[in-house]
Amino acid sequence: QVQLVQSGAEVKKPGASVRVSCKASGYTFSGYYIHWVRQAPGQGLEWMGWVNPNTAGTNYAQRFRGRVTMISDTTISTAYMELSRLRFDDTAVYFCTREVHDQPSAFDIWGQGTMVTVSS
Amino acid sequence: EIVMTQSPATLSVSPGERATLSCRASQSLDSSLPLAWYQQKPGQAPRLLIYAASTRATGVPARFSGRGSGTEFTLTISSLQSEDFATYYCQHYYFWPYTFGQGTKLEIK
Repeated sequence: QVQLVQSGAEVKKPGASVRVSCKASGYTFSGYYIHWVRQAPGQGLEWMGWVNPNTAGTNYAQRFRGRVTMISDTTISTAYMELSRLRFDDTAVYFCTREVHDQPSAFDIWGQGTMVTVSS
Repeated sequence: EIVMTQSPATLSVSPGERATLSCRASQSLDSSLPLAWYQQKPGQAPRLLIYAASTRATGVPARFSGRGSGTEFTLTISSLQSEDFATYYCQHYYFWPYTFGQGTKLEIK
């Protein structure tokens, strides 16, 4: 079945970097953008950006530019999100999700989420 | 950037009753109605319920319905079941960034 499976929880110190992976299966990986959305504890959903596995193109939310990198490896149908210079307020669950290429669309499949804790 | 505002923040409804959740966009969305609703339960990923403002996603029960246009949208759950008590988010996908509302928590009265 169609699914996105993310890597496990991470604990990082302030100033460090974290990389979260998102492995796709059950569909043509290159046919969909992979978006990243995060959710701080008790808070709402915040869109971070996307990567286009077909072109390697990216688009990042303004507040993350300079700190976030999103890439994909089509040979293993996996996308990655790396966030650098971590701060305490980056503590959140990070989700990957997909959007079909050919027209703006809703996010129909989500990964299970990866908890990233920033703690000294 | 389009700001999505949901109301109320919390809605208390008894099982079997109807619930109506609202979502307002800070600017009018396209005629293709690029508006989605998601359901999220604690510890789970969001689940797509409605897209294009009124189309139910695969497997979503018929008691969920969406409507609206322009800047005003609603999600209605016609007869609440125990599994429907959750937090609901609206999202536009008109242009990037695809922003979310702050959510409405639907709780048991």
